[in-house]
Amino acid sequence: DARVTQTPRHKVTEMGQEVTMRCQPILGHNTVFWYRQTMMQGLELLAYFRNRAPLDDSGMPKDRFSAEMPDATLATLKIQPSEPRDSAVYFCASGLGGRGFPYEQYFGPGTRLTVT
Amino acid sequence: QKEVEQNSGPLSVPEGAIASLNCTYSDRGSQSFFWYRQYSGKSPELIMSIYSNGDKEDGRFTAQLNKASQYVSLLIRDSQPSDSATYLCAVKGNAGNMLTFGGGTRLMVKP
Repeated sequence: DARVTQTPRHKVTEMGQEVTMRCQPILGHNTVFWYRQTMMQGLELLAYFRNRAPLDDSGMPKDRFSAEMPDATLATLKIQPSEPRDSAVYFCASGLGGRGFPYEQYFGPGTRLTVT
Repeated sequence: QKEVEQNSGPLSVPEGAIASLNCTYSDRGSQSFFWYRQYSGKSPELIMSIYSNGDKEDGRFTAQLNKASQYVSLLIRDSQPSDSATYLCAVKGNAGNMLTFGGGTRLMVKP
């Protein structure tokens, strides 16, 4: 059953705490994307990787957010310190990227983050 | 001007009717176009991809692309209440793997 998995599904934390979200892309996919979705801003791209290398993180607040791919089966998004304005749903998506590939992206179930 | 624009809706159609969802984009070099369906509280689900001008049909769904007009649409025939969701249009530009998403159109199908 090929799906993107994300943990945790829900996270409630206090302002100033560190938050780590994890994503396991679909086996064989070489691109991984992190998105944030809010009612006001919609779906925003935070960062993406191809073959584990970061290609774009221009959508990410650099001072508090970091994204990594320690190996091909794990992507992480970390917020330190967290702030109430970070409250949102964070989605991971994966796909096959590169010339000749269809560029379709498949989303995980998301992590709903609430920062109080 | 947003890069990918959709009417936020809600678009309300009666059960059995055709729902027509529209999307315009600003990057003339865009190559690939996608429609995602997102139920409330769930993640976006890919339902259609289209890469060349014309129509592409898959079951009750038809995607239409007109690159000259920078316009892509999704038709849902025989709409069902279970089609009630937000439909997101996504566009891939000329370079890279990134998709730009529209704000979504909320569709309501009334029994």
